[in-house]
This record gives sequence, C-alpha cells and structure tokens, in this order.
Amino acid sequence: AQSVTQPDIHITVSEGASLELRCNYSYGATPYLFWYVQSPGQGLQLLLKYFSGDTLVQGIKGFEAEFKRSQSSFNLRKPSVHWSDAAEYFCAVGVRRDDKIIFGKGTRLHILP
Amino acid sequence: EAGVAQSPRYKIIEKRQSVAFWCNPISGHATLYWYQQILGQGPKLLIQFQNNGVVDDSQLPKDRFSAERLKGVDSTLKIQPAKLEDSAVYLCASSLGGGGPQYFGPGTRLTVT
Repeated sequence: AQSVTQPDIHITVSEGASLELRCNYSYGATPYLFWYVQSPGQGLQLLLKYFSGDTLVQGIKGFEAEFKRSQSSFNLRKPSVHWSDAAEYFCAVGVRRDDKIIFGKGTRLHILP
Repeated sequence: EAGVAQSPRYKIIEKRQSVAFWCNPISGHATLYWYQQILGQGPKLLIQFQNNGVVDDSQLPKDRFSAERLKGVDSTLKIQPAKLEDSAVYLCASSLGGGGPQYFGPGTRLTVT
C-alpha cells in the first residue's frame, strides 16, 4: 500500500538559516509527489510537484525539492527561511490509478527570530 | 482563475444538531474531494466525486454524514446528527484527475459543543 512518512513532527530553525524537511514514500511505480503548506486557519497550498523529468523541482516562495528514487525520498529545502515560513508542511504522493493523494502526518516548522 | 470556494468558514453547533457545508470547485475540475482534518493531523479523505458520481466513500461515516454533487459542479457535505468528535476542519479540494495536484479551499472549521 502507498504511504508517506514525515519523520519530524516539529522542526525549529532560526530566521535566515537553511531548512530541510524530510519525506519518504512507499509506492510501487514512479510516483507523483507533492509538498503542501498550511498556515494557521488556512487550507493547503501547493508548494511544488514532481511528475517526471528533472529530479530537482522548484516551487513557490523559494522552496525546492529533490526526488531521489534510490532513497524513496522527496525532501523539501529552502536556503534561507523567513518568519512567514512558519507553518505546517505536508508531503504527499499521488496515486494515479485511484486519482487520490496520500498525505503524510505533517511537519510543523517553527522560526526563531 | 478563481480557487476553490467554501462556506461557511466557521460554524459552532451543539451535539445532535445538523450542519451543512458548501463547496464550489475550480471551473473545469471534474474530481472533487471532501477531507476531514482533526487538529494536529493530516487531511483524511471522506469522499471523492468524479463529476456527479461517487468514486470512493469508504471513509465516510454514512450513519451521520452525507454528500452530494448533483450537477457535477458544486457539492454539499452534511452531518446529522453531529457528535463532539466531529469537531474538525472540513476541506474541499478539486483536481483535473489522474493523480495530479489537488487544489484546496480555505476550509470550514466546525466546533461541536
């Protein structure tokens, strides 16, 4: 069965520091992969997506993610975080056969001033 | 392009009362999803529509929850009667299908007292 694991429930970084949020997936074929961000009281906003091709994908707000098939990972990175990046981040895998998305449990990002 | 619209944004009801939520997806999106997100967790799929037909409602508590998408466009989700454990954010999402990205509305925060 398809699954997504985000091993870190909470991450705290200082403003201006670099960020990496981890995501591992289980899927029998080449996956569609997504990162979403959810600010307090808001719905989920799509940050970036991987369908095929270049394994390093660029998203909005200065985020990028790298698909590593050998490690079944799709980690999210940002070189320098801003206080406004404090939010919950969800990694997800798209199941094409069922037209569904399986979400991880999320990582809450805290930013220190 | 307009995003996914949901109303109301907030609702407070007493247990055993009924409540309804409305969603209007992005124009042209055939697939519509309703999710329940309990505080601190990722979204849980309740029901998935393809046009006006139900694709998956295996996680919908059918003794109290119902949903419809009569004309294949907007949709309503109803809870009757509500229980305390139904307190959550109800998210609507839509997509073009094929396992691609889903686009979410702002959600409805339900509090059952």
